[in-house]
Order: sequence, then structure tokens, then C-alpha cells
Amino acid sequence: EVQLVQSGAEVKKPGESLKISCKGSGYSFTSYWIAWVRLMPEKGLEWMGMIYPGVSETRYSPSFQGQVTISADESITTAYLQWSSLKASDTAMYYCARHSGTGYTYPFDYWGQGTLVTVSS
Amino acid sequence: EIVLTQSPGTLSLSPGERATLSCRASQSVTNNYLAWYQQKPGQAPRLLIYGASRRETGIPDRFSGSGSGTDFTLTISRLEPEDFVVYYCQQYDNSPRTFGQGTKVEIK
Repeated sequence: EVQLVQSGAEVKKPGESLKISCKGSGYSFTSYWIAWVRLMPEKGLEWMGMIYPGVSETRYSPSFQGQVTISADESITTAYLQWSSLKASDTAMYYCARHSGTGYTYPFDYWGQGTLVTVSS
Repeated sequence: EIVLTQSPGTLSLSPGERATLSCRASQSVTNNYLAWYQQKPGQAPRLLIYGASRRETGIPDRFSGSGSGTDFTLTISRLEPEDFVVYYCQQYDNSPRTFGQGTKVEIK
């Protein structure tokens, strides 16, 4: 069974760093792109970027380029989303999601359960 | 960047009625690389339709997708109580991938 299991909710202060995770299982982790998607109230879903774990190739949305870093460790079948300096505006739910095929142009068929990040002083 | 505009923002209907949701793209989505997702409160989105009209495995046949180029439609033939949630379209044709802003289907 394909599963993406994300790390738990986080409460951080502005300026702090954070790395959240998404562990894949039940499939060939290195063969499928994994994306990160932000959900903010009243803004809907936003695609942040994605990674191909097999070669750690990444793509970023211009809106998030330079604001976050996406990485993966294939030895533990885990993808990551990290911030070096959080802002209050980063408060949101973050999802990881897997492409439904092994290529570049596929929708997302499996999603993590979401990680709620709260940034507040 | 392909901008997707969903309409209406909110659709008020009764159970058993037909729902028609629209997704318009700012430029042509080649190969019909357009998907629809359903999101219930507190849950991750669920893939309903891909390739504009192909139903994902396990999705009830009351959900159907149509359209091509810049205009796409999700139709729910007869609304069930669990269908009154939020729906998003997404293009996976080029980068950055983009989502529409969502349509909320609410009980009238």
C-alpha cells in the first residue's frame, strides 16, 4: 500500500528554522516526483515545488524559489521541506503529494496527511 | 505561468441536483493535462479526474470531467451529502504547476 506520512504539527517563532518531512512507503521512492503544496485559508492550494528523489532534481514555483528548500534522502525514503527563517506569513498547512506516474507530467494520486505549521511570536 | 480561474466561487445546490463547475485557463493546457481534486475539511485533497476526463480508480461515476484547451468542466450528476465540499482544478502541463482558487459546493 502506497503511503506518505508527514511529520507532526510545529509551532515556531519568526526567524526560526524548520524542516518538515514526508516518508514514502509501498512504492519505488526514487522513481516518482514528490511535490509540496501549501494550503492557506481563503487562498486555496498552492504548488510550491517538487523533487525527483532518484537524482534529487528539483523544480520550484517562482513564488517560493529562494524561500524554501526541497530535498530528499532516498536511503530513508523521505522528502523534506525546509525554511531557514520563518515568517508569520508561512503559517499554513503543508502537504506532500506523489505523482501518479513515473514521469514529469502527472497529477497527484497519493497525499500525505498534512503538517500544520504555525509561526507566531 | 498558467492561471486557472474557477467559477463560481460558491455553488449553492440541494442534494440530488446537478453541479457544474468551471475551470478556465489563461492559455491552452496541452494534452489536456488538467486534473480535478476534492478536499473535505481536515483531509488531504483527493484526485477525482485527470487528463480532463478520465476518472481516477474508485471515484463514483456521478463525477465526470470534460473540456479541452482553455475551458474545462467538472460535473456531479446527482449531489450526495458528502459532495458538499471544495473542489480544485490543477494543470500539470507545465511548470509551475498551478491550481484554481477552488469552488465550494454548499447545501442550499
